[in-house]
Amino acid sequence: KQEVTQIPAALSVPEGENLVLNCSFTDSAIYNLQWFRQDPGKGLTSLLLIQSSQREQTSGRLNASLDKSSGRSTLYIAASQPGDSATYLCAVLSTQGGSEKLVFGKGTKLTVNP
Amino acid sequence: DGGITQSPKYLFRKEGQNVTLSCEQNLNHDAMYWYRQDPGQGLRLIYYSQIVNDFQKGDIAEGYSVSREKKESFPLTVTSAQKNPTAFYLCASSPIIGGYEQYFGPGTRLTVT
Repeated sequence: KQEVTQIPAALSVPEGENLVLNCSFTDSAIYNLQWFRQDPGKGLTSLLLIQSSQREQTSGRLNASLDKSSGRSTLYIAASQPGDSATYLCAVLSTQGGSEKLVFGKGTKLTVNP
Repeated sequence: DGGITQSPKYLFRKEGQNVTLSCEQNLNHDAMYWYRQDPGQGLRLIYYSQIVNDFQKGDIAEGYSVSREKKESFPLTVTSAQKNPTAFYLCASSPIIGGYEQYFGPGTRLTVT
């Protein structure tokens, strides 16, 4: 059974700092991995999608890497801003019980202090 | 504007009542999904549909029902059989099943007292 773990559960940093969020998964047979952002009481916004054949994806100040063999992904945020404060969710798409399913971690709550 | 809409944003019901949550998408996506989110837990899959008039149970389908009569719409009914219905419900869609990105709606917060 696929399990996704995100460490740390919460992170507080001063504005301008570069930071890394971690995601690990137990079954390396995945189709892709997605990083999402969720603001309080809101839906999920997709940040980056990495296909299983890719090693990384970049969008602006965000860079996500994927090491399928070790079951790890990282989300790097450069020059953090207070507007980056949110919960970041990692999810992997894989076949579970004969069906394709997106399995989520519990998220990392990021606070960027001005 | 293309996207996924969920209504209402907040919903309050008395215990024992069925309630239906709306999800509509204009992205022309074939696949649609319902997830439940509880504090401190990851999202859990309730039901999903790959095509009109077809749907499959997810990990926590008990106490829920769905229909998929139109490509654009995938309503979720929370029945009185659901023991702990209070939660944040999220609808998502993707072009097809098969490794594609899922797009999420804004969610409905259901409170049952």
